[in-house]
Amino acid sequence: AQSVAQPEDQVNVAEGNPLTVKCTYSVSGNPYLFWYVQYPNRGLQFLLKYITGDNLVKGSYGFEAEFNKSQTSFHLKKPSALVSDSALYFCAVRVYSGGGADGLTFGKGTHLIIQP
Amino acid sequence: AAGVIQSPRHLIKEKRETATLKCYPIPRHDTVYWYQQGPGQDPQFLISFYEKMQSDKGSIPDRFSAQQFSDYHSELNMSSLELGDSALYFCASSPNRGPITGELFFGEGSRLTVL
Repeated sequence: AQSVAQPEDQVNVAEGNPLTVKCTYSVSGNPYLFWYVQYPNRGLQFLLKYITGDNLVKGSYGFEAEFNKSQTSFHLKKPSALVSDSALYFCAVRVYSGGGADGLTFGKGTHLIIQP
Repeated sequence: AAGVIQSPRHLIKEKRETATLKCYPIPRHDTVYWYQQGPGQDPQFLISFYEKMQSDKGSIPDRFSAQQFSDYHSELNMSSLELGDSALYFCASSPNRGPITGELFFGEGSRLTVL
């Protein structure tokens, strides 16, 4: 079974500083990794994904993530944080088992707070 | 661009009542997923459908059932509601059952409150 860990419940960053939201995964096959963002009382919005290829993946709103197979990590990063980036961020993994419509397994989420 | 549509957005029910949530996937998406997100929790996978047949089952209670119809919309039926069923219920769709594109597209959710 696959799982995702987000070790930080909350990350505080000053506006303009770089940010990192951590994610590690555990899967038995090749992982397909995703980041989603959720604003209060809203649905989850897709940010970026790693399927194969370049370890550095670029996504929406200036976010990027680095896939590290040896460390089984997929940390979310942004060079310069904005106050509007404050939200709940979920890392997720999907494994293709060859049968069934495989859904996503989510981490517990990390609250990102950007301070002006 | 069309998104996943969920209705109703808000629903208030009493204990032991029943509730039905509806989901209309993005056009040409044939796979639908249902998730439950309790307060302060991560989304938990309930059930999925591919081409109108149940495809995968997660932590869906026996009191809940779901189906996907010929037009690909899906309904989640919840009976004998309990206080603990109060949550945000998300529907998501994807264009196929495999990981070719990978991402799921989520609706805005239906908030169920059980009193």
